[in-house]
Amino acid sequence: EAGVAQSPRYKIIEKRQSVAFWCNPISGHATLYWYQQILGQGPKLLIQFQNNGVVDDSQLPKDRFSAERLKGVDSTLKIQPAKLEDSAVYLCASSLVAQSGGEKLFFGSGTQLSVL
Amino acid sequence: EDKVVQSPLSLVVHEGDTVTLNCSYEVTNFRSLLWYKQEKKAPTFLFMLTSSGIEKKSGRLSSILDKKELFSILNITATQTGDSAIYLCAVGGNYGQNFVFGPGTRLSVLP
Repeated sequence: EAGVAQSPRYKIIEKRQSVAFWCNPISGHATLYWYQQILGQGPKLLIQFQNNGVVDDSQLPKDRFSAERLKGVDSTLKIQPAKLEDSAVYLCASSLVAQSGGEKLFFGSGTQLSVL
Repeated sequence: EDKVVQSPLSLVVHEGDTVTLNCSYEVTNFRSLLWYKQEKKAPTFLFMLTSSGIEKKSGRLSSILDKKELFSILNITATQTGDSAIYLCAVGGNYGQNFVFGPGTRLSVLP
């Protein structure tokens, strides 16, 4: 079974530039998450999709961050313009509800973003 | 507001030691608790604990969930240098709600 695909693996940009990340979840996983993980902290949710609808984007800085999942499959996350504090690892995850009723997250390889 | 706390935040041990990592939570309508190991960027799944499965074991790793006291522990026996990583705890509420992560415990196992 193919895992969650993310690209790019690394990105270095200057502040005020724009950047985009791409994620393709595991086939059949309806829920997709974008997390931001700043060094030394746990992942923080940016946005959660259920199919192509947004479930939770309450922590997404909407003045500079945007995300879409147009056909309910792959997703893109964009930052424009980037700030120094956006330097972090951006993780995409998709989820599956197990037979036990619990929900398990599957993560992509992540994108390390450095804003200079 | 949902909250997940992990302790200790960092831990240094020697190979062969046993470690216990703690995760306590306050989450509305608890559904499941997940443990992950993060060595580089991508967290890898270790255990899922739910109301119907409060104890899990895999090799040298084991975990229990105490739903009454709202915490979980992750035990690693006979630690190896390959266990060095950040261990993340995440808690989910109702299906469709997002998972809240703790800050992680950074474990360093010295030879």
